[in-house]
Amino acid sequence: DAGITQSPRHKVTETGTPVTLRCHQTENHRYMYWYRQDPGHGLRLIHYSYGVKDTDKGEVSDGYSVSRSKTEDFLLTLESATSSQTSVYFCAISISGTGVYNEQFFGPGTRLTVL
Amino acid sequence: DQQVKQNSPSLSVQEGRISILNCDYTNSMFDYFLWYKKYPAEGPTFLISISSIKDKNEDGRFTVFLNKSAKHLSLHIVPSQPGDSAVYFCAASTGANNLFFGTGTRLTVIP
Repeated sequence: DAGITQSPRHKVTETGTPVTLRCHQTENHRYMYWYRQDPGHGLRLIHYSYGVKDTDKGEVSDGYSVSRSKTEDFLLTLESATSSQTSVYFCAISISGTGVYNEQFFGPGTRLTVL
Repeated sequence: DQQVKQNSPSLSVQEGRISILNCDYTNSMFDYFLWYKKYPAEGPTFLISISSIKDKNEDGRFTVFLNKSAKHLSLHIVPSQPGDSAVYFCAASTGANNLFFGTGTRLTVIP
């Protein structure tokens, strides 16, 4: 257990509303990631962070922004949610600090439905 | 375009037999490969990995084989147990902080 929590665990929202998902870790790991999981696509990287205020885009970053003002929290924001962003969102951390060459540990996920 | 492919969406195996899950990739720059296991309503959990400088890595009942020339890797589970029933994802990396995942294979181990 890498001490990763995600909140909320479930959310239903309407198209056009802003949504923020939170990932919290308790062990001060440097690398944090946001993925989305969709049928037929597996998991796809949205954004990642390699330190406080240091973030970069992943494979499917359009429509998402992130922030990391503290080591332990990595926030994912949908500025104006669309139905195509209905998905299960997973946060992950890399425990060794050397990025993706070491296994990533995942949080329990947030199921987001955009109506 | 899917760079990591798992062409079998599902697999059923009898308890005690071998499970073989397959994964193909297209990007020759991938140099590190991982397998994850996922139960419903939980996050994926790391299972086993292999570097491109190796062709086999073993951890208990789990063995991953890598065939670089064929751009193919496989996960062998021997013997299979009912608790192994889950969705298995393979993933690959170029080392650029981006893991590329396959679409997953649902393994069902029949008691």
